[in-house]
Amino acid sequence: QKEVEQNSGPLSVPEGAIASLNCTYSDRGSQSFFWYRQYSGKSPELIMFIYSNGDKEDGRFTAQLNKASQYVSLLIRDSQPSDSATYLCAVDSNYQLIWGAGTKLIIKP
Amino acid sequence: DTAVSQTPKYLVTQMGNDKSIKCEQNLGHDTMYWYKQDSKKFLKIMFSYNNKELIINETVPNRFSPKSPDKAHLNLHINSLELGDSAVYFCASSPKVGSGSYEQYFGPGTRLTVT
Repeated sequence: QKEVEQNSGPLSVPEGAIASLNCTYSDRGSQSFFWYRQYSGKSPELIMFIYSNGDKEDGRFTAQLNKASQYVSLLIRDSQPSDSATYLCAVDSNYQLIWGAGTKLIIKP
Repeated sequence: DTAVSQTPKYLVTQMGNDKSIKCEQNLGHDTMYWYKQDSKKFLKIMFSYNNKELIINETVPNRFSPKSPDKAHLNLHINSLELGDSAVYFCASSPKVGSGSYEQYFGPGTRLTVT
């Protein structure tokens, strides 16, 4: 059974600091990696995807991928209270996405 | 608006009833999914259709029956509802399976409460 692991949190970060969210996966054949944000009572929203080793930046968000270590992370710079949400990591495996359980992030003003 | 839509948004019903949830996407995607998210917030895939063909059928009670009349629509019918079926059900879509694009876009969810 392919797995995606995330620390459930909550991860508490002061406003303006960098939030670092981590994810490990078990399928070495995975090629696509996604970060979704889910606010309470809302649906998951795609915020970042990464396919290649290294860093990918989009505004305040940076996704980092290390396929050798089977590790993907999401950095949020200048964290805002509006970033408080659950962040889901998803990895492709056998033509579907395997989901982590999510990390709850709390940004404290 | 281009999106994935679901109806109804809320569904409250009694045990033993039969209910349906409908999903439509106008993103031009070939693949659609049903997920269940319980109180612990874990997203569990239930079914997936690629261009009207069932391609993922996870271990789900056979009281749940999906139906895809065309690639833009995916419905979920649930017979003999049980208390444990209470959850949020999300529909999602993605570009064609095997295309290398696996990003999924979600509908707003249907909160099902069985009493």
